[in-house]
Amino acid sequence: AQSVTQPDIHITVSEGASLELRCNYSYGATPYLFWYVQSPGQGLQLLLKYFSGDTLVQGIKGFEAEFKRSQSSFNLRKPSVHWSDAAEYFCAARTGGGNKLTFGTGTQLKVEL
Amino acid sequence: NAGVTQTPKFQVLKTGQSMTLQCAQDMNHNSMYWYRQDPGMGLRLIYYSASEGTTDKGEVPNGYNVSRLNKREFSLRLESAAPSQTSVYFCASSERGTGFSYGYTFGSGTRLTVV
Repeated sequence: AQSVTQPDIHITVSEGASLELRCNYSYGATPYLFWYVQSPGQGLQLLLKYFSGDTLVQGIKGFEAEFKRSQSSFNLRKPSVHWSDAAEYFCAARTGGGNKLTFGTGTQLKVEL
Repeated sequence: NAGVTQTPKFQVLKTGQSMTLQCAQDMNHNSMYWYRQDPGMGLRLIYYSASEGTTDKGEVPNGYNVSRLNKREFSLRLESAAPSQTSVYFCASSERGTGFSYGYTFGSGTRLTVV
């Protein structure tokens, strides 16, 4: 079955440090890939997406992600984290037909001042 | 503001009670979805509607029913609530085909507690 794995449940970084959140997918072809962010008590907001072409994609709030086919990964990165980035981050993939998204279990980011 | 509107935002039910969660979108999207979010489990698809007039089961449909009332509205019904249905419920919508490149737009969620 297709799946999306986020190996890190919690990550803590210091403000100003770099960040990388990991995401792996299990699917034969290249899926459509997304990263969403959820602030406490809120819905999910789209950060960025990858469908094809350039494997490094830029998103909102200074985030970027790199698609690596050989590793079945789509890791999210930010060069310098701000305290306001503290939130939960979800990786998602559209796998197979239709528009259904499969989500990872999420990574909770804590930012230390 | 344009987007996806869910009502109510909070609800407490007793075991066995029924209720309907409402969802409406004003972006003229064809597809709509209901997900539940539980700690450590991410978001799991309950039901979806690829277009007006169609509905299909997702990963965790047991105990739920849905109605795609028209293109704008997609409701989720719990006929006999159980404590295992305590969760945060999200409605989302999207375009179809190439329009899906914009991904999902989510509502702000309904926090449901079944006691």
